[in-house]
Amino acid sequence: DGGITQSPKYLFRKEGQNVTLSCEQNLNHDAMYWYRQDPGQGLRLIYYSQIVNDFQKGDIAEGYSVSREKKESFPLTVTSAQKNPTAFYLCASSIAGDGQETQYFGPGTRLLVL
Amino acid sequence: RKEVEQDPGPFNVPEGATVAFNCTYSNSASQSFFWYRQDCRKEPKLLMSVYSSGNEDGRFTAQLNRASQYISLLIRDSKLSDSATYLCVVPSTHRGGSYIPTFGRGTSLIVHP
Repeated sequence: DGGITQSPKYLFRKEGQNVTLSCEQNLNHDAMYWYRQDPGQGLRLIYYSQIVNDFQKGDIAEGYSVSREKKESFPLTVTSAQKNPTAFYLCASSIAGDGQETQYFGPGTRLLVL
Repeated sequence: RKEVEQDPGPFNVPEGATVAFNCTYSNSASQSFFWYRQDCRKEPKLLMSVYSSGNEDGRFTAQLNRASQYISLLIRDSKLSDSATYLCVVPSTHRGGSYIPTFGRGTSLIVHP
């Protein structure tokens, strides 16, 4: 079965701790995206990658970092610099990174701060 | 003007009703448009894509008005299972010139018996 997986489903972070959210896809898609969704809000773009070994900041990149060493993987690290990390994090992929293609989403990770 | 705007609702309608949502966008160069459905605490899933003037799939019809820069979603014969948030997505130019999918805040639909 092709698709996108995200892990863990729930993640708890202590003050001052960095945590990494996993996103893997086996759809052979070039582009991958990370979004953050707060209650009652839309999706806000954190980072995106249109090709392996390249990524761009989205609208709210501060306090986050990513890597794209493999086509199928796009992990997101929430650093201690992100002061309000509690949110629903969604990873998505699309065939190409031209914005004109359908995006497919993973099931999401809920991050909570202890 | 925000890049993608939607009326947040909620739209509260009885079963069997017809309901329509609008989504306005600011980037006139956008070529493709999408409606996603998001259930509570779940990921968005594609409902319809619109590449020309419109698209129809069963009870769902999406229409594009390029002159006025809006797309609409019409749901006929509403079912209880249609209750969800409907997200409008329009490719917008990001810094560096790339087109990036830009999401509206979503329109909440509640269908009641």
